[in-house]
Amino acid sequence: AQSVTQPDIHITVSEGASLELRCNYSYGATPYLFWYVQSPGQGLQLLLKYFSGDTLVQGIKGFEAEFKRSQSSFNLRKPSVHWSDAAEYFCAVGYNDMRFGAGTRLTVKP
Amino acid sequence: NAGVTQTPKFRVLKTGQSMTLLCAQDMNHEYMYWYRQDPGMGLRLIHYSVGEGTTAKGEVPDGYNVSRLKKQNFLLGLESAAPSQTSVYFCASTLDRAYEQYFGPGTRLTVT
Repeated sequence: AQSVTQPDIHITVSEGASLELRCNYSYGATPYLFWYVQSPGQGLQLLLKYFSGDTLVQGIKGFEAEFKRSQSSFNLRKPSVHWSDAAEYFCAVGYNDMRFGAGTRLTVKP
Repeated sequence: NAGVTQTPKFRVLKTGQSMTLLCAQDMNHEYMYWYRQDPGMGLRLIHYSVGEGTTAKGEVPDGYNVSRLKKQNFLLGLESAAPSQTSVYFCASTLDRAYEQYFGPGTRLTVT
């Protein structure tokens, strides 16, 4: 069965610290992979995506993600978190359809 | 460009009533999607369409129907609303499945 798992429901980091958000998936083949961010009361914005090529992809706002086929993972990273990064982050995978993870809420401490 | 718009923004229904949510996009996108978002569950795909005249079931299709008679519109229907359908509904569209999905502002539906 197709599924997307974001193991961390809530993460708190200090401003300036590094961040890693985890995403694991179960799919028949390597799907298209995405990370979206949702600020409170807002719609979703794409951070980055992967569907082939270099397994380390760069996105907007200083985010990057690494695809690891052997681990069926697509973890999101940022070297230095800013207070404005506080939001909910969703990993999504699919082809014609799309499956989203349950999300990870990020809190940034001053 | 208006992007993706959803009508209505809010709605309260009584159990058993029916309604239709309208999603419209002006970007000439082929793919359109309907999701529901519930606390702690992320977005779950209800139905999707890969082009005008096509529809397909997603992860949670029961209790919903859809139609894509025109390329720019994707309608989501609830024939007999139930309290379990209380949720925020998002529509999205994309030119191609490998591209970014553009989301509408959402419709908050409450079924009492």
